[in-house]
Amino acid sequence: DAGVIQSPRHEVTEMGQEVTLRCKPISGHDYLFWYRQTMMRGLELLIYFNNNVPIDDSGMPEDRFSAKMPNASFSTLKIQPSEPRDSAVYFCASSPGGSSTDTQYFGPGTRLTVL
Amino acid sequence: GQQVMQIPQYQHVQEGEDFTTYCNSSTTLSNIQWYKQRPGGHPVFLIQLVKSGEVKKQKRLTFQFGEAKKNSSLHITATQTTDVGTYFCAGATPRGQNFVFGPGTRLSVLP
Repeated sequence: DAGVIQSPRHEVTEMGQEVTLRCKPISGHDYLFWYRQTMMRGLELLIYFNNNVPIDDSGMPEDRFSAKMPNASFSTLKIQPSEPRDSAVYFCASSPGGSSTDTQYFGPGTRLTVL
Repeated sequence: GQQVMQIPQYQHVQEGEDFTTYCNSSTTLSNIQWYKQRPGGHPVFLIQLVKSGEVKKQKRLTFQFGEAKKNSSLHITATQTTDVGTYFCAGATPRGQNFVFGPGTRLSVLP
């Protein structure tokens, strides 16, 4: 298996632009997680899905952030409009199932820079 | 809310020395996981502990789960340069729906 796939790996954009991050989980995994990592705040859970349904989005910073999972093999995290403080590494992770606290397999991340 | 703390924040050791990082939760945990993140990389799962007082070993790494299930430790014997990275613990409460990651301990190993 190729593991969790994220694209793009790097994104540089200007403040106010829309940013879309993409994730393909490991096939057969029922859970998908979006994290944000910064030096100041560490690794933060933004939202997670179970069987394509959003379960907990309490970590989403504000309305500028939205996430979707239209099918079992694809998810997006969108930021509109983007701000410099959104600069971070965004990780997608998937988990085989059973519970949301099962082993998580992380993707390589998307490094976002908002100028 | 649930809080997971780790100490130390940073640790610099000479190659061959031992290293320990500690994880402490404000609430009792149902289980705890440890992850390692190499510089520029992504977190990679190391191990999960479930039982009170549990001890697990992976080669030079020893993981412990406290009797009260509120703390855990990771000990590396005779560090190598390949051990460089940030070690995260992630704890789940019995009623929790997901893990809360600690801030991590960044390990540097000097050759």
